[in-house]
Amino acid sequence: DAGVTQSPTHLIKTRGQQVTLRCSPKSGHDTVSWYQQALGQGPQFIFQYYEEEERQRGNFPDRFSGHQFPNYSSELNVNALLLGDSALYLCASSSDSYTDTQYFGPGTRLTVL
Amino acid sequence: GDSVTQMEGPVTLSEEAFLTINCTYTATGYPSLFWYVQYPGEGLQLLLKATKADDKGSNKGFEATYRKETTSFHLEKGSVQVSDSAVYFCALTPQGGSEKLVFGKGTKLTVNP
Repeated sequence: DAGVTQSPTHLIKTRGQQVTLRCSPKSGHDTVSWYQQALGQGPQFIFQYYEEEERQRGNFPDRFSGHQFPNYSSELNVNALLLGDSALYLCASSSDSYTDTQYFGPGTRLTVL
Repeated sequence: GDSVTQMEGPVTLSEEAFLTINCTYTATGYPSLFWYVQYPGEGLQLLLKATKADDKGSNKGFEATYRKETTSFHLEKGSVQVSDSAVYFCALTPQGGSEKLVFGKGTKLTVNP
C-alpha cells in the first residue's frame, strides 16, 4: 500500500516565478492538507481540501492556492515567489472521519533564489 | 488561539538514558494530541497519539499521557538508542478529526553511543 507521495523532491526557482507542487494521498484517503515548514521550525498549516473544495485555510496570502482532483490528488500553487517562500512543503492525507490521523509525505524542498 | 509549546532543544543524551520532552498546549474544546518524528531529510512520521483525557499513546518504547488538568502531553522513553536521534514535534488538532494540525517548534534529540 503506497503512502503519501509528493513531486518533485527538490525545486529551485527565482523570485517572481510561479511553482506547482503535487501530492497523491494514501490509498483510501479523501482529504489532503498542505503545510509549510521553514528551516528549524514546525510545520504551518496552509489549507485543506476535501471533495475538491478548500475546506479550511491558514494564515497564508492569496498567492498560495490549491486544487484537488476527482481522484483526491492535489496541487499547491504559489505565485510571485518570494525569498521567504523557501521551505519544505509537506502534504498530508487523511480520511474524513472523526479522530482520524494525518499521514505525511516526504515533502518538496523549494528554494527561491 | 490554539497553540503548542515544547521544551527548547537541542537535547543530547547518551544511549540507554531516560528521555523526557515536555509539551503543553492551549486549546478550546477537546483536542486530539500527537507526537510526530522527523528524521534527517525526511517528512513527518506519526509516533503516537491520544484523543481524550487520560489516554496513553505508545509506540516503539515511547509513551505520552493526555493530561487535561495540566494541559500537557509529555513524551517519554525509558532507554533511548542512537537510532532515536531526530526532531520530535508535539501537535494538536483543535477538535479532533481531520482538521488542521497545530505544531510546536520541535525538539532536536541527539543520542550518542
